[in-house]
Amino acid sequence: GENVEQHPSTLSVQEGDSAVIKCTYSDSASNYFPWYKQELGKRPQLIIDIRSNVGEKKDQRIAVTLNKTAKHFSLHITETQPEDSAVYFCAASSTGSARQLTFGSGTQLTVLP
Amino acid sequence: DAEITQSPRHKITETGRQVTLACHQTWNHNNMFWYRQDLGHGLRLIHYSYGVQDTNKGEVSDGYSVSRSNTEDLPLTLESAASSQTSVYFCASSEEGYEQYFGPGTRLTVT
Repeated sequence: GENVEQHPSTLSVQEGDSAVIKCTYSDSASNYFPWYKQELGKRPQLIIDIRSNVGEKKDQRIAVTLNKTAKHFSLHITETQPEDSAVYFCAASSTGSARQLTFGSGTQLTVLP
Repeated sequence: DAEITQSPRHKITETGRQVTLACHQTWNHNNMFWYRQDLGHGLRLIHYSYGVQDTNKGEVSDGYSVSRSNTEDLPLTLESAASSQTSVYFCASSEEGYEQYFGPGTRLTVT
């Protein structure tokens, strides 16, 4: 089955700096890669996703890049703000079981004012 | 507005008891999922369903069961609760098989 590894597990940045979270996946058939943000005590919420037919997607201050050859994808947050502080999860979904997601272990992002 | 709800939000039970966690969605989504969330493990898939009468085992299905008698509900049953099942449980649903919407979660403590 799919295995997703996520790094780093914790990340602290100064407000206004950029943050990068990286994930690798094992199943070359995976074709969908969402990122979820989870604030303390809340449910995970989708912030951005990318499909395997594109290499990069951007939505305001967040962007995701995908390298299918290397089987890794990354979340980039620019101009970080205190409200970006949360746990971020990457996930991957394979073609064979396209509706299932395998999640990474999460990154606790802290934006220091 | 359409939504996904879980009940109860908090539950304390004793080892060996049967526990059922409810999940209800009003989006009419065919796909529903149960995850457990533990520190350091992210979200791990317990069971999932692609439609009425369809259920499938996920990565960590031992000790859990689900049934799907209608589109809206996917209850999760712990047959005989164990301390290792203390966790936060999230239900999710999706239509196209891609974006999954999560419920608010149930915090279960097994003493």
